[in-house]
Amino acid sequence: GAVVSQHPSWVICKSGTSVKIECRSLDFQATTMFWYRQFPKQSLMLMATSNEGSKATYEQGVEKDKFLINHASLTLSTLTVTSAHPEDSSFYICSAPDRGARNYGYTFGSGTRLTVV
Amino acid sequence: GQQLNQSPQSMFIQEGEDVSMNCTSSSIFNTWLWYKQDPGEGPVLLIALYKAGELTSNGRLTAQFGITRKDSFLNISASIPSDVGIYFCAGPYGGATNKLIFGTGTLLAVQP
Repeated sequence: GAVVSQHPSWVICKSGTSVKIECRSLDFQATTMFWYRQFPKQSLMLMATSNEGSKATYEQGVEKDKFLINHASLTLSTLTVTSAHPEDSSFYICSAPDRGARNYGYTFGSGTRLTVV
Repeated sequence: GQQLNQSPQSMFIQEGEDVSMNCTSSSIFNTWLWYKQDPGEGPVLLIALYKAGELTSNGRLTAQFGITRKDSFLNISASIPSDVGIYFCAGPYGGATNKLIFGTGTLLAVQP
């Protein structure tokens, strides 16, 4: 089935530095990638939607300049957390719709645990 | 805005017991999805429901799409320890963008 590979699985960074998270669709083309954030014991909250070849759209309350999204190709989308602070520590998950899937084909990455110290 | 409320918030059961959880919405959905999330992992799709009143099974899991289109339930029969995890309902919104909104989640713990 469709696979979205997300890296890194976890990262610890110093406050003020930037962190890049990558999501690759391995066996299908992802024209769209959804980026979610999940705080401990909470649900997944959609942050933004990236589209190949165009600007990402952000959900209300999500800072565009802080969470930079790039969808450079049909198989790669990246999320960069710029000038990270401890409150950005969270679990970040990407998801891509697999248009060829028989069922409702949203494939999720395995997530990135970001800890900012 | 739209919200998907799940109940119960958490469940602690013995292996072999049946489990039922539900999801309600303040607005209508045309598709209901049920996901399971293991610790430190992304969600995995369990069951997708496309039609009001639809009852669908996947092994020991059964889910139903409420006829009002504002609710859905998930049943797990004869629970086993590997059923432990967080169960989320989800529904697409936003028209053509097909964004997903997730429910508040139900944490399931199964004691062997």
